[in-house]
Amino acid sequence: QSALTQPPSASGSPGQSVTISCTGTSSDVGGYNYVLWYQQHPGKAPKLMIYDVTKRPSGVPDRFSGSKSGNTASLTVSGLQAEDEADYYCSSYAGSNNWVFGGGTKLTVL
Amino acid sequence: QVQLVQSGAEVKKPGASVKVSCKASGYTFTGYYMHWVRQAPGRGLEWMGRINPIGGGTNYAQMFQGRVTLTRDTSISTAYMELDSLRSDDTAVYYCASESLYYKYGLDLWGQGTTVTVSS
Repeated sequence: QSALTQPPSASGSPGQSVTISCTGTSSDVGGYNYVLWYQQHPGKAPKLMIYDVTKRPSGVPDRFSGSKSGNTASLTVSGLQAEDEADYYCSSYAGSNNWVFGGGTKLTVL
Repeated sequence: QVQLVQSGAEVKKPGASVKVSCKASGYTFTGYYMHWVRQAPGRGLEWMGRINPIGGGTNYAQMFQGRVTLTRDTSISTAYMELDSLRSDDTAVYYCASESLYYKYGLDLWGQGTTVTVSS
């Protein structure tokens, strides 16, 4: 199972929006509506931000949104804030009780 | 307090094995699948496998098949990850994380991570 493909970096100024892509195949991202996104600050454990492609767990700001088209999922962060600077990882169910992560994207708030 | 507490850092020689523990507290251990994820220095997250605490059934990522073993002891609400035939590229932080009952396949409770260093 190959890792999902994410851009290594993304950036935006405070208040702007930024979108991070996550490309897989028809065996993972394209085959199931089980895409998740995690946020990880340096030295910390990841935090679940999006599940079921578009849904936010309780407590996650509505500035974070997810979508999917074909084999590519996306995370959009609107109204960027300084505390959004972190690494973001997508993950997808890949069938047969397997999961796969993306390589991660470092989001910089300029 | 709902939490997962992992065992301390380990230093191992190539070819050895390591066993990391993950103790759950504040919730029903048998109610949630436990996943293991690792992160090499400066690298991304890598899914290793998961265990069903009720029956002990396991699923492993293909790249770890035959080298990783997930077990649990329900009497002490603890999950274990054992990795054999360690190589230098197994140097990483290893996390346990429980699968949410509310957020489909989401890992919403994580341990603090255990650093495993493989060096001769």
